[in-house]
Amino acid sequence: QVQLVESGGGVVQPGGSLRLSCAASGLTFSRYGMHWVRQAPGKGLEWVTFIRYDGSNKDYADSVKGRFTISRDNSKNTLYLQMNSLRAEDTAVYYCAKDLRDSGRYPDAFDIWGQGTMVTVSS
Amino acid sequence: EIVLTQSPATLSLSPGERATLSCRASQSVSSYLAWYQQKPGQAPRLLIYDASNRATGIPARFSGSGSGTDFTLTISSLEPEDFAVFYCQQRSNWPYTFGQGTKLEIK
Repeated sequence: QVQLVESGGGVVQPGGSLRLSCAASGLTFSRYGMHWVRQAPGKGLEWVTFIRYDGSNKDYADSVKGRFTISRDNSKNTLYLQMNSLRAEDTAVYYCAKDLRDSGRYPDAFDIWGQGTMVTVSS
Repeated sequence: EIVLTQSPATLSLSPGERATLSCRASQSVSSYLAWYQQKPGQAPRLLIYDASNRATGIPARFSGSGSGTDFTLTISSLEPEDFAVFYCQQRSNWPYTFGQGTKLEIK
């Protein structure tokens, strides 16, 4: 059974940093592109960032570019999101999600999602 | 940025009725459109990918259609567990935007 489990969320002050992790199991992690998607309280979904299956390409939403960094360790089946210079508007549940099809050059639909981890930016 | 506009914002129907949800893109996304269902406190679930393909395990009452800029998600006969918020999402162009959602509620 394919499973994604996020961790690392919490409360952080504005300007602070946090690193999220997403542990994958039940799949050949190294074959799939991965994403982070967030959802502010009571709001809709916002795509944040994507990393290609081999780590060779990364995309970011303008709202996080230059502050957030996506990475992966295929030997540990783990996806990461390093978040720096956090702002109040970054407060959200952060989901990791995998591409539907493997070895894709471009992002795909998101077929498996984690349960999410809450990040709260507040003084 | 491609803007996806979903309508209606809220749809009130009864179990057994047919639901038709719309998603309109500000420019063509070809067939690179997906639909997701999200229930309160849960992660989204993929229903439809590439405009008209049902994801694994999705009941046949869910169907998607459209291409270019106009897309539709149809639920042929609503079951009690279908009531939720539905999002469309495009992967044609960066950034990979979502619509604002349609809430399907029990009438």
